[in-house]
Amino acid sequence: GIQVEQSPPDLILQEGANSTLRCNFSDSVNNLQWFHQNPWGQLINLFYIPSGTKQNGRLSATTVATERYSLLYISSSQTTDSGVYFCVRTPGAGSYQLTFGKGTKLSVIP
Amino acid sequence: NAGVTQTPKFRVLKTGQSMTLLCAQDMNHEYMYWYRQDPGMGLRLIHYSVGEGTTAKGEVPDGYNVSRLKKQNFLLGLESAAPSQTSVYFCASSLTREASLALSYEQYFGPGTRLTVT
Repeated sequence: GIQVEQSPPDLILQEGANSTLRCNFSDSVNNLQWFHQNPWGQLINLFYIPSGTKQNGRLSATTVATERYSLLYISSSQTTDSGVYFCVRTPGAGSYQLTFGKGTKLSVIP
Repeated sequence: NAGVTQTPKFRVLKTGQSMTLLCAQDMNHEYMYWYRQDPGMGLRLIHYSVGEGTTAKGEVPDGYNVSRLKKQNFLLGLESAAPSQTSVYFCASSLTREASLALSYEQYFGPGTRLTVT
């Protein structure tokens, strides 16, 4: 099956710093999402981004499907950004299984 | 829109007891899913449904049953709970046909149900 690899596995940032999280996938992916699982366990949609670039406030994401990777940018990080960020291949036509990366655990310290 | 809601949020069961988890979505999504998440792991698919009246097994279906009698609801049942079913359960939904007739497979998750079986 398709493998989704995320890097780095752990990241500690000083509040206000910027960061880039990376997701590589082993085969072509038609549907890709980034989620943030906060310390309370909630899974929050960040981006549905099969290709191209999207921005939402301090966060932006870019997927280059032809090169099989996606990047999540966090600028001016805040302590509320802490949690685990998952890159997820989401089901499309003919498939129903999510494929999760192992996640990047982000800790933002004041 | 409330999005995807789950009830209850927390539950403690004794081994052998039964319970039903309810998932509801108000986005007119075709697909609905039940996942479980265990510590340090991603989500594993239990059962899913591609439409009202249809269900199918996922990766870890044993010990669970599901029903989707209405498009907006997806129920997950545990007939005889076991300690191995202690987990956080997430419901999700997806698949809408947008105004442009393009399909969107974006997944939306509920807040989760934390279940402990003693």
